[in-house]
Amino acid sequence: ETGVTQTPRHLVMGMTNKKSLKCEQHLGHNAMYWYKQSAKKPLELMFVYNFKEQTENNSVPSRFSPECPNSSHLFLHLHTLQPEDSALYLCASSQIPTGDTQYFGPGTRLTVL
Amino acid sequence: AQSVSQHNHHVILSEAASLELGCNYSYGGTVNLFWYVQYPGQHLQLLLKYFSGDPLVKGIKGFEAEFIKSKFSFNLRKPSVQWSDTAEYFCAAGQDFGNEKLTFGTGTRLTIIP
Repeated sequence: ETGVTQTPRHLVMGMTNKKSLKCEQHLGHNAMYWYKQSAKKPLELMFVYNFKEQTENNSVPSRFSPECPNSSHLFLHLHTLQPEDSALYLCASSQIPTGDTQYFGPGTRLTVL
Repeated sequence: AQSVSQHNHHVILSEAASLELGCNYSYGGTVNLFWYVQYPGQHLQLLLKYFSGDPLVKGIKGFEAEFIKSKFSFNLRKPSVQWSDTAEYFCAAGQDFGNEKLTFGTGTRLTIIP
């Protein structure tokens, strides 16, 4: 596989469930990101990891818990979500500090019932 | 606060029409600018980017954008659109030296009528 992959592509969960989103990048980048894409709103940056260290937490509720075990993998652990958390969750990667382009995965469409 | 504005929420054009999508940013200091495109059912892809140099930037699929610093604008243009250009277009801005914190606009949905 090339580029940035995300699994699952679709996820439906109840408010009491615990689930995880997975992202893998095959580009040799050192930075990975989670974004939330909701209808009619700008893409919202959630978390940034640089060399496996979290460098940005954009005031994200604690029910979203990221994990970056290495520079190629990124997880987003979900628990006790709310219906308003339903959105498309996008993963991206880039090479910093060269300031290069961010490359995006296809996203996970999350529905919280 | 840093922000990116895209004033056109939905644009409908006929094939062969010319396209211009507006993007304005509010940033202090040196800024890098991007246009991303999201085709139906596909992931976000980079169309073009401006870091420095010639303010007229050419991207893939015949798209270009012009950085006008005095107007804080980075409008996307294409002289003749095709049905396959139907997609959502996002403008984004980041600081120089490390675009970790990209700020995106709300996007413009472009519909091309055959």
